Amino acid sequence: ILNVEQSPQSLHVQEGDSTNFTCSFPSSNFYALHWYRWETAKSPEALFVMTLNGDEKKKGRISATLNTKEGYSYLYIKGSQPEDSATYLCAFNAAGNKLTFGGGTRVLVKP
Amino acid sequence: DVKVTQSSRYLVKRTGEKVFLECVQDMDHENMFWYRQDPGLGLRLIYFSYDVKMKEKGDIPEGYSVSREKKERFSLILESASTNQTSMYLCASRPMGVDDTQYFGPGTRLTVL
Repeated sequence: ILNVEQSPQSLHVQEGDSTNFTCSFPSSNFYALHWYRWETAKSPEALFVMTLNGDEKKKGRISATLNTKEGYSYLYIKGSQPEDSATYLCAFNAAGNKLTFGGGTRVLVKP
Repeated sequence: DVKVTQSSRYLVKRTGEKVFLECVQDMDHENMFWYRQDPGLGLRLIYFSYDVKMKEKGDIPEGYSVSREKKERFSLILESASTNQTSMYLCASRPMGVDDTQYFGPGTRLTVL
């Protein structure tokens, strides 16, 4: 079983503040790294799929970076809003078909 | 929009019952997956299928089986439900491309009494 870890497990952020958190994954046999946002009572939704070392992706106030050589990805939220409250999941694709998920980072944005 | 549907949002069953969880996707995706989600453990893969009648074990297949008779439908079967199978079950589908995103259903919260 591949080891994909996310830290921290949870964090509280004041509205308007920026924050970031980490996903670490094996640095060998890398195919892709996925980020998902999972809001309560909804399905996980895709944010980014990253495939190249040094990739940077952005969607509104959320962005992500990728370092495949050292096996980590950062997700950044700029100017957090209450609607950003969710669990953020990363998933590592080592061999094409299946994804291995991290435990998630639960973000709570306080007004 | 891709749609992945699951047969029930909430299900309550008794120990020893046979349980079927159904998942249907409408985008002709080759790959389909069943996960369970438990607090502190993230999403764990139970089984997946990359084609009709094909299946592969995930990380925690014990106590489960699957069926994929049609491309759009992937069923998870609990042959004899046990209390430790109380969990949130998520179905997902994805095309074959390595960098293709995965689409999830709304989840079924199963309680086994």
